[in-house]
Amino acid sequence: NAGVTQTPKFQVLKTGQSMTLQCAQDMNHEYMSWYRQDPGMGLRLIHYSVGAGITDQGEVPNGYNVSRSTTEDFPLRLLSAAPSQTSVYFCASSYETGEQFFGPGTRLTVL
Amino acid sequence: QKEVEQDPGPLSVPEGAIVSLNCTYSNSAFQYFMWYRQYSRKGPELLMYTYSSGNKEDGRFTAQVDKSSKYISLFIRDSQPSDSATYLCAMTGAGNNRKLIWGLGTSLAVNP
Repeated sequence: NAGVTQTPKFQVLKTGQSMTLQCAQDMNHEYMSWYRQDPGMGLRLIHYSVGAGITDQGEVPNGYNVSRSTTEDFPLRLLSAAPSQTSVYFCASSYETGEQFFGPGTRLTVL
Repeated sequence: QKEVEQDPGPLSVPEGAIVSLNCTYSNSAFQYFMWYRQYSRKGPELLMYTYSSGNKEDGRFTAQVDKSSKYISLFIRDSQPSDSATYLCAMTGAGNNRKLIWGLGTSLAVNP
């Protein structure tokens, strides 16, 4: 039981490049979410999904896209990277009662 | 005003001390309350989960919820250097669609 896995662990992009952050969970959770964490800003919700085929925006969705074609996978796409997207990104999955389980994170730097 | 307020610290205590960490909130609809621990350069990990009011104990950790005061606490007894981390509170309720509302986290250092 791997829990929540994220790849890559680290990534450096140039401004304007696109990339996909991968997230997978093997706990059969319906709810999954993406956060970014910045110093002094706490965890901010980017996008979330309540089940395969259903996604919705969180607090800071601009510049990011998601899709949920299976229960297990929830990739996050950066369309055209900007320095403001330099951050640590966490994926989480959740039971119906709200407890969320986090992946190890992806540290992204945009130059 | 943020929905969840948490003093960011930092909090520095000697080994063996009792630590009290707190969050206040404004939304009376919150029913599920969580504490997460986050070590440096790691993802948050669930430490305690409480439904509605009351206390919950797990080893050296005790979580308290006072819904009448909209106040939750995490107590750490006999604190250890390995408890040095950032502690985040989170909460949700019916109608939140399982979205968690987070405190900013309190940084704790336990000194040997």
